[in-house]
Amino acid sequence: AQSVTQLGSHVSVSEGALVLLRCNYSSSVPPYLFWYVQYPNQGLQLLLKYTSAATLVKGINGFEAEFKKSETSFHLTKPSAHMSDAAEYFCAVSPSNTGKLIFGQGTTLQVKP
Amino acid sequence: SQTIHQWPATLVQPVGSPLSLECTVEGTSNPNLYWYRQAAGRGLQLLFYSVGIGQISSEVPQNLSASRPQDRQFILSSKKLLLSDSGFYLCAWSLSVGRSDYEQYFGPGTRLTVT
Repeated sequence: AQSVTQLGSHVSVSEGALVLLRCNYSSSVPPYLFWYVQYPNQGLQLLLKYTSAATLVKGINGFEAEFKKSETSFHLTKPSAHMSDAAEYFCAVSPSNTGKLIFGQGTTLQVKP
Repeated sequence: SQTIHQWPATLVQPVGSPLSLECTVEGTSNPNLYWYRQAAGRGLQLLFYSVGIGQISSEVPQNLSASRPQDRQFILSSKKLLLSDSGFYLCAWSLSVGRSDYEQYFGPGTRLTVT
C-alpha cells in the first residue's frame, strides 16, 4: 500500500530563510505526488505536482520540489520565506488509477519576523 | 472556470441530532467527488468518494453516509451525531478516474462542532 510520511509536524524559520519541508513516500510503482497548502480555516490549494515529466517541479508562490527515487523523497523548498507562507502543508500520493489521494499528517510552517 | 461550494461554513449541533452538509461543483461535468474530515491536529481522512450519480464508496466505517443525487452535488449526512464527529469537513473534486495525476480541488470547508 502506498503511504506518505512528513517529517516534522512543526517547522519554524525566520523571514528570508530557506524553507525545507520533508516528505517521504512508500510506493511499489512510480507514484504521482502532490504538495498542498492550507491557510487557517480554508480548503487546500495545490502548490505543485510530480507526474514523472521532470524530477524538479516548480509550483506557485516560489515553491519547488524535487523527486528523488533513490531516497523515495519529494521535499518542498523555497529559497526565501515570507510571512505569508505561514500555513499548513500537506504532501500526498495518488495510488494508480484510483483518483484518490493519500495525505501525510501535515507540517505547520511558522515564519518569524 | 470551475468552482466548488460548501455550506454551511460553520455548524454547531448537539449530540444525537441529524446532519446534512452540501457540496456543489460548477463548471465541469461528471467529476469525481470526495468527502474528507480533518480532526484537530491530524491529517486528512478520506471518508467517501463518488465516480458518478448514486455511486458512493466508503473508505472507513463510521456514523456518516454520503449521497450524490445529481452529477455535481455531494451530500454528507448523519442520523445521529457523535462528539467524535466534530471536525473540519472538506469536499473536493477531480476529473474523472482513469488517471492518477489529476489533482483534487478543494472547497472552503465546513467547521462542525458537536456539543
